[in-house]
Amino acid sequence: SAVISQKPSRDICQRGTSLTIQCQVDSQVTMMFWYRQQPGQSLTLIATANQGSEATYESGFVIDKFPISRPNLTFSTLTVSNMSPEDSSIYLCSVEILGGPVGTEAFFGQGTRLTVV
Amino acid sequence: AQSVTQLGSHVSVSEGALVLLRCNYSSSVPPYLFWYVQYPNQGLQLLLKYTSAATLVKGINGFEAEFKKSETSFHLTKPSAHMSDAAEYFCAFLQGAQKLVFGQGTRLTINP
Repeated sequence: SAVISQKPSRDICQRGTSLTIQCQVDSQVTMMFWYRQQPGQSLTLIATANQGSEATYESGFVIDKFPISRPNLTFSTLTVSNMSPEDSSIYLCSVEILGGPVGTEAFFGQGTRLTVV
Repeated sequence: AQSVTQLGSHVSVSEGALVLLRCNYSSSVPPYLFWYVQYPNQGLQLLLKYTSAATLVKGINGFEAEFKKSETSFHLTKPSAHMSDAAEYFCAFLQGAQKLVFGQGTRLTINP
């Protein structure tokens, strides 16, 4: 299994500012994933972060808006840049661990609840 | 396009009653299907996973799901609802090697 810690758990930010969300995992993982969950909606993958290389962004998400760092195998950050109220969402970090009782399993952090005012 | 569709954004059942949360997948979806639960202010937790080994999959907390190819369904059930089951439930499939694609979610409410 994996224990994932996200910081901050919630924040209220002014429009036009940026927020960096941290994700710490208690074991080394190859890939880390960042998701967005807009109010009342499902999760959407923003990007996949590999250690030592550029993150891979999904359609509709760009690096200038959501820069990601992955300095080592246990840590990643997601920055939400130049925020607007439309960025108000829950942002979740996820990792996948091979093996275990159900084979490959994805583990999620508790999420960062962001409100932009 | 590959997708999963959850029927009903909100399901309400009485405590002790059967829980049935519906998920249908598009016919081209690979055979890796998941149900996740999200309790208030928490991340997602895996309930169960279908990997083509057995059509009836048993998960945690008394939940199970049956993969029915003829109906392209993977509905989640629990014989007797408990108040602690109140949460948001997501059906998902694995696209490619590691990308999870989620359904819209179903909020389960348990009435005392």
